[in-house]
Amino acid sequence: KAGVTQTPRYLIKTRGQQVTLSCSPISGHRSVSWYQQTPGQGLQFLFEYFSETQRNKGNFPGRFSGRQFSNSRSEMNVSTLELGDSALYLCASSRAGTGEETQYFGPGTRLLVL
Amino acid sequence: GIQVEQSPPDLILQEGANSTLRCNFSDSVNNLQWFHQNPWGQLINLFYIPSGTKQNGRLSATTVATERYSLLYISSSQTTDSGVYFCAVEGYYGGATNKLIFGTGTLLAVQP
Repeated sequence: KAGVTQTPRYLIKTRGQQVTLSCSPISGHRSVSWYQQTPGQGLQFLFEYFSETQRNKGNFPGRFSGRQFSNSRSEMNVSTLELGDSALYLCASSRAGTGEETQYFGPGTRLLVL
Repeated sequence: GIQVEQSPPDLILQEGANSTLRCNFSDSVNNLQWFHQNPWGQLINLFYIPSGTKQNGRLSATTVATERYSLLYISSSQTTDSGVYFCAVEGYYGGATNKLIFGTGTLLAVQP
């Protein structure tokens, strides 16, 4: 069974631009969560989608948004990029989204904002 | 919210040595996972262990939920074990949720 995939793997943008990242969960998994990893803040939860609905949201500004499609694939969007948005963005999927199960992570997208 | 503390922050071992990594958490959890982050950033699942003990080859983990800590044991360490080890937990929020709270990690370097 294929693992979680993320595209693109690397991205360079300039301040003020917007970016869209994509995540395809493991087949049969309905929950997709997004995390941001930076050297200063570590790994932080962005949001979670389950059955096309945002179920949880972390403490990030409204410039960070996401959505989930009927096939469970998810996208996250960051508008008006800032230098501090440079980070590794990871998505994770789980089967039923109960919280009582293993979450599997993708390889991540490295975003550099210049 | 739940606080997750990992110790030690850094660890240097000689190949073949054993080590114990600790994760303390501040509240009851319904999910606890250990991950190994490789040099390319991929988080690799090691254990899903909200309670009890599990073993997988040279690795084993124990979570004592009532005392709010978990331990990851690495035996006969190899250079390929190098990387950052994270503990992540999810608390009870009164409903289904998949919000993992990560510790700050333990950076392990295994020298040949």
